[in-house]
Amino acid sequence: GENVEQHPSTLSVQEGDSAVIKCTYSDSASNYFPWYKQELGKRPQLIIDIRSNVGEKKDQRIAVTLNKTAKHFSLHITETQPEDSAVYFCAASYTGNQFYFGTGTSLTVIP
Amino acid sequence: SAVISQKPSRDICQRGTSLTIQCQVDSQVTMMFWYRQQPGQSLTLIATANQGSEATYESGFVIDKFPISRPNLTFSTLTVSNMSPEDSSIYLCSVDRGPYEQYFGPGTRLTVT
Repeated sequence: GENVEQHPSTLSVQEGDSAVIKCTYSDSASNYFPWYKQELGKRPQLIIDIRSNVGEKKDQRIAVTLNKTAKHFSLHITETQPEDSAVYFCAASYTGNQFYFGTGTSLTVIP
Repeated sequence: SAVISQKPSRDICQRGTSLTIQCQVDSQVTMMFWYRQQPGQSLTLIATANQGSEATYESGFVIDKFPISRPNLTFSTLTVSNMSPEDSSIYLCSVDRGPYEQYFGPGTRLTVT
């Protein structure tokens, strides 16, 4: 089955700086890569996703890049704000709905 | 989006007992999924539940331990059987409103003592 690795496990940045989280996947059949944000005690919320036919996608301060050849994808958050503090999970899927999640990154934005 | 509810929201159970978790969605969906999130850990897919057929389980999960029902297109249950402290987790259902459009329920926090 699919195996998704995620780094770093924890990340602290100063407010206004950028944060980058990286994931790798093992199954070349995976074609959909969502990113979820989970605040303490809450359900995961989709923040951005990318499909295998696209190399980069942006949504305001958030961007995701995908390198299919190397089987890795990354989340970039610019101009970080305290409310960005949460646990972020990457995931990979080859069906579009069954997700295999990375181990999570706990992001802390220091005011 | 989808409005998804789970019952119970949390429970504390004794070792050796079973708990059934319900997941209700506000509109018909083809596929429903059950995930487990152990304390401080990531989400792990347990099984996929399709209406009218048996659930499909991921490696490491078996029907005897996690029986699933899917009686209609808006409802599913997950039972955690013969519980042990290692089953203490958050159990989340998710629904598929179409390819690449999935939403999670609020989760059920289970503590086994």
